[in-house]
Amino acid sequence: QITLKESGPTLVKPTQTLTLTCTFSGFSLSTSGVGVGWIRQPPGKALEWLALIYWDDDKRYSPSLKSRLTITKDTSKNQVVLTMTNMDPVDTATYYCAHPGIAVGRAFDIWGQGTMVTVSS
Amino acid sequence: DIQMTQSPSSLSASVGDRVTITCRASQSISSYLNWYQQKPGKAPKLLIYAASSLQSGVPSRFSGSGSGTDFTLTISSLQPEDFATYYCQQSYSTITFGQGTRLEIK
Repeated sequence: QITLKESGPTLVKPTQTLTLTCTFSGFSLSTSGVGVGWIRQPPGKALEWLALIYWDDDKRYSPSLKSRLTITKDTSKNQVVLTMTNMDPVDTATYYCAHPGIAVGRAFDIWGQGTMVTVSS
Repeated sequence: DIQMTQSPSSLSASVGDRVTITCRASQSISSYLNWYQQKPGKAPKLLIYAASSLQSGVPSRFSGSGSGTDFTLTISSLQPEDFATYYCQQSYSTITFGQGTRLEIK
């Protein structure tokens, strides 16, 4: 059974760097084809894809946020970390990590519960 | 980026109705189109992948069709638990989501 859970601060100040951790179980990021993605959702708004990392350390970023994002993996800990620099109030959102299932064409078949991050001074 | 446009943005319907939601891509995405359902305060749930394949465990009243630029999600007979927001998502190139369609009870 695959599970993912996001963790990190609930409140960050403008200009600070946000660090979020996705801890997962039920699969390994050392297995060929496997990846983990991050998606966010501002309150009352649509989903926005942020980043993806694959088993071979291939990394993909949203073009509009690429300069602010870094995604890394720690295979031994079953964790993926997303950092976002220069946080702004418009970055207030629920941040989800999700599993792109190989059997479903890399659609996000399993999601974490999400973690709400508020950006405010 | 490939833009995904859903219509309508919101929809009122009754239990038992047949409902269709449309998603249009700004360029061809073959069949790299997925549909999700999201209820308030919950993470999205995968319904349909690769335009028309039903995710395991999803009721058969949900179906998807289309290829290229135009896609549809159809719910054949609305059930009370289907009132939610629905999103399309393309995975042909840099991932993008539609703006969502809110399905409300009439």
